[in-house]
Amino acid sequence: DTGVSQDPRHKITKRGQNVTFRCDPISEHNRLYWYRQTLGQGPEFLTYFQNEAQLEKSRLLSDRFSAERPKGSFSTLEIQRTEQGDSAMYLCASSLVGSSTDTQYFGPGTRLTVL
Amino acid sequence: AQSVTQLDSHVSVSEGTPVLLRCNYSSSYSPSLFWYVQHPNKGLQLLLKYTSAATLVKGINGFEAEFKKSETSFHLTKPSAHMSDAAEYFCVVSAWMDSSYKLIFGSGTRLLVRP
Repeated sequence: DTGVSQDPRHKITKRGQNVTFRCDPISEHNRLYWYRQTLGQGPEFLTYFQNEAQLEKSRLLSDRFSAERPKGSFSTLEIQRTEQGDSAMYLCASSLVGSSTDTQYFGPGTRLTVL
Repeated sequence: AQSVTQLDSHVSVSEGTPVLLRCNYSSSYSPSLFWYVQHPNKGLQLLLKYTSAATLVKGINGFEAEFKKSETSFHLTKPSAHMSDAAEYFCVVSAWMDSSYKLIFGSGTRLLVRP
C-alpha cells in the first residue's frame, strides 16, 4: 500500500491555459474522489468515480472542468481556459466500496496557481 | 442536512499541555464522524473515526475523540501537545447522499504549539 499519489504537486499557469492533474489511488480501491480546497477552507467535493464510471459531479464543477478514469485505475482532472478563481489545492481521495463508512484516504494534493 | 461546525479557527497551546479542538455536528441520523489532520504542504491524514461503536475513539499520535449524542459534539483531545502536532485539523461528517458517502468538512482549526 503506497497510498494515494498526485502529480504534479505544484502547477503555475497563466490565465486561459489548460492544465491537467493526475491521481493514482490506492491499488485495490474502486472509488476515487476529487476535491477542491481554497485557502482557509475545508475541502469541497467535486466529483467521484466508481471504477471507470463518473457517478456524480458537484455544481462546483463548471463546464471547463472534466475528469476521467478510463481504466478504473488512475484519474485525470483537466481544467480548460483557467481563471484566477481556479487557484486552489486539488485533492484526490480513494476508498473501497462495501466498507460501512467508505473511509477516504487522501493524496498530497496539487496546488494550482493561476496568474 | 448534515454539517459540522468547528468552534475555533485557531487554538494555541504550550508544548506539554492538553489540547482540545471543538466540533459540533448536525445530522438527521446517527452519523459517521472523522477527524483529519493536514500538515503544511501535505495531504489530509485520517486521525480517527467514529462509526457508532464505542463513543470514545482512540486515534493515532495520542489523539482521541468522544461522541456525545446529547450535545451533538465530537471534540478532539490530546493529553499533552507536541511541537509536531502543529497543523490544521478538520472535523468531518460522512453523509449518505445520492448513492454514496460524501464527506462534509468543517472549516478547520489551526493548532499552534508554543515551545
